[in-house]
Amino acid sequence: DQQVKQNSPSLSVQEGRISILNCDYTNSMFDYFLWYKKYPAEGPTFLISISSIKDKNEDGRFTVFLNKSAKHLSLHIVPSQPGDSAVYFCAASRNFYSGNTPLVFGKGTRLSVIA
Amino acid sequence: DTGVSQDPRHKITKRGQNVTFRCDPISEHNRLYWYRQTLGQGPEFLTYFQNEAQLEKSRLLSDRFSAERPKGSFSTLEIQRTEQGDSAMYLCASSPPSLPETQYFGPGTRLLVL
Repeated sequence: DQQVKQNSPSLSVQEGRISILNCDYTNSMFDYFLWYKKYPAEGPTFLISISSIKDKNEDGRFTVFLNKSAKHLSLHIVPSQPGDSAVYFCAASRNFYSGNTPLVFGKGTRLSVIA
Repeated sequence: DTGVSQDPRHKITKRGQNVTFRCDPISEHNRLYWYRQTLGQGPEFLTYFQNEAQLEKSRLLSDRFSAERPKGSFSTLEIQRTEQGDSAMYLCASSPPSLPETQYFGPGTRLLVL
């Protein structure tokens, strides 16, 4: 039973355009969400996170949106750059004060930014 | 500030041999996690420590796997009597007391069991 789902295995976007990566979750106990970026042969790199008390969080070119009623979150990258080409993982957890649990990851979406 | 480090980065072993991996977390990070990642999948949780105490173990962690974190600093993950199904990337992550939900990953150890 996959609790975190990334239904698009891959996505291609032109340089300068917006990249939108989507993630759905099934466990309503999750209240903290993270996005990681992974290059081949490297560990995941933390990008941005959001708590369930918010519906949006921004950090530079990266914005994460959370729709709790739909159990859906998305990562927007604007503008997309060739260096953004990587696999992006969505992860979910319960936050520390609600009984922290380890991260549950989706299977990832491979983003290709075409120059 | 150095990141999480893992050693070795690659390991090739024969089925039935024992292997041990090491993880050094970011300084002053009190939580340390081990994950395993296979091709086409996201990382899957194995176990985690808060300081030297092992607080949770996944059902993925069979009896052949053991992890330690003596003195609450570095950690080791040992796999005894390796099987071909153990071939994977083993990832270590750590998180600080101030932001325990956010985990920072090391580069991983890629294990190949022949």
